[in-house]
Formats: sequence, C-alpha cells, structure tokens
Amino acid sequence: EPEVTQTPSHQVTQMGQEVILRCVPISNHLYFYWYRQILGQKVEFLVSFYNNEISEKSEIFDDQFSVERPDGSNFTLKIRSTKLEDSAMYFCASRAMPSYEQYFGPGTRLTVT
Amino acid sequence: GNSVTQMEGPVTLSEEAFLTINCTYTATGYPSLFWYVQYPGEGLQLLLKATKADDKGSNKGFEATYRKETTSFHLEKGSVQVSDSAVYFCALASSGSARQLTFGSGTQLTVLP
Repeated sequence: EPEVTQTPSHQVTQMGQEVILRCVPISNHLYFYWYRQILGQKVEFLVSFYNNEISEKSEIFDDQFSVERPDGSNFTLKIRSTKLEDSAMYFCASRAMPSYEQYFGPGTRLTVT
Repeated sequence: GNSVTQMEGPVTLSEEAFLTINCTYTATGYPSLFWYVQYPGEGLQLLLKATKADDKGSNKGFEATYRKETTSFHLEKGSVQVSDSAVYFCALASSGSARQLTFGSGTQLTVLP
C-alpha cells in the first residue's frame, strides 16, 4: 500500500540554524500539507500546497518558513532560523483529488537546542 | 473560524468495555469530519470519516455519526481491546479547496486487560 514517507525521523539543531524537513507524498496525490504537533498539544495546520504554489497557510507559517517541491517526488519544509519554540513533531500529509482523505507520514521530530 | 472540541482524557477502560469519545465542532459551510488515531511512536492514521450530515463512518468496530443538528461526531466502540490503546483525534476539513484539517486536542485511551 502506498504511504507518505518523511526524513529524517529525528533532527536535532541549534537555535538560529536552518533545517529542511523532507517528505515524499503518495505518487498520484496532488495536494500536500505540513502540520506540526508541539509535545502535549494539538496538531496544527501550517500550510497546504497545490499546483506548485501555496494554497492556504496559517498564522504560524510566517516568513521564516518556506515550502518547495524541488522535483516530481519530494516536498520540503524549510525553517530558516530555528527557535526553541519550533521544537515539535512535523507531519507531512497528501491528498488525492477530489478525495477528502489526507494520508499522513510518520513525522519528523525536530529538537531545537 | 473552525474549531473542534474534544472530550478531555485520559480515558482508562477495561477490555470489552463500551467506549464513547465526545467531539463537537464549529465550522462555516459544510465540513467533512474525521477521526484519526495515533499509536505510540507512530504518525496519524485515518480511522473513519463522514462527509455529509447523517453519514455514519465505521472501521475496525469504531463508529461515528455526523450530526449537523448537534454539531457532533462522537466516536463509539462496543467492546474495546488492549490494542485500541492510542490517542484519538477528532478533526474537520474545511469546505474550501485546500480542505486543511482542524484537529481537536486528542484523547488518550488506555485499555487494561
């Protein structure tokens, strides 16, 4: 069964450093998403991406965040200058059109020290 | 804006007990409703869904009915098993094209043998 994959599973970085989180969505899906879950809190929407551009973004997704689909398979989330409060589990998800169902990857745990 | 209010946990039950996890929502338009499950150390898995009023979603013995009049989508299972121990998230998808998910806070379920 096709699945969403994410790398790395755990990333430790120092405050102020740039990080790139990588995702490979399910191959025939056209909508891609990033969510985050700070430990013990809700899963929060960050951004959705369709047709090579951002379709929706939340207030959390400020100028230090960016997303890209650099080739036909990868979908990346870049955090330019990490802060302690960026420490969270980051989930990638993808969706086929016109389905309502989003399929999630296993997540990347980001720890900012 | 959209919001999901979910019964607070943790919930501890004995095996074969009846489970109810309450979920209510606030949304504009006609959202789709979901239950996701997160097993320890894993990502989010779609458990069941309902896309319009009075739809009943079901999977693995779990059920939930989309009640527009009470804006609810309560999760039920008649007889829980130890393997059902996980965190359960209620979520809604916006009616816009991006259909990003808004999650509840999650309910930790522990089933004791």
